[in-house]
Amino acid sequence: QVQLVESGGGVVQPGRSLRLSCAASGFTFKTSGMHWVRQAPGKGPEWVGVISYDGSKKFYGDSVKGRFTISRDNSKNTLYLQMDSLRVEDAAIYYCAKDRGTGWLGMDDNWGQGTLVTVSS
Amino acid sequence: DIQMTQSPSTLSASVGDRVTINCRASQSISDWLAWYQQKPGKAPKLLIYKTSTLETGVPSRFSGSGSGTDFSLTINSLQPDDFATYYCQQYQTYSYTFGQGTRLEI
Repeated sequence: QVQLVESGGGVVQPGRSLRLSCAASGFTFKTSGMHWVRQAPGKGPEWVGVISYDGSKKFYGDSVKGRFTISRDNSKNTLYLQMDSLRVEDAAIYYCAKDRGTGWLGMDDNWGQGTLVTVSS
Repeated sequence: DIQMTQSPSTLSASVGDRVTINCRASQSISDWLAWYQQKPGKAPKLLIYKTSTLETGVPSRFSGSGSGTDFSLTINSLQPDDFATYYCQQYQTYSYTFGQGTRLEI
């Protein structure tokens, strides 16, 4: 069965960087687009961005554009989220989610359990 | 960005009731709309995509309808497990956006 396991969350100071990982198994990772979605405490979900199956196309939400970078290593079945210049408002649970197709059909019901990022001095 | 507005924000209902949650997009999104259910401490669970297609395993008491800018999620014969928060989400254009949520309470 599909499994997505995020890691790399933790406490970081404003302005610093953090890299999250999402280890995928149970499906053909190299043919699936992948998304990152975050959810701040007590708030609704916010889409962070998407990467196509081959990594050639990436799109980001306005609040993270220019600061966050999504990448993937298909040889390791792993998705990454590099977060730079972190702000207090970036604090959230970060989820990776599988696309229904190669990156353009929206998230399907396969999400990870999330990893918590806290941004605080 | 396309703004998604849900109504109501909170909905009180009883087991066995039929309820409808509405979602309005700030511009046409065709039928690129999904509905999620979320319970405390859990990731959102996809219920419906492409406005009206039930995700595998979702009970048939859930249904979705609409097109363009106005959409709705209907739950027939509410079950105790259905009391949760529901979100609509558009995926017609990047960036994808979610509604603010509707809390369905007993």
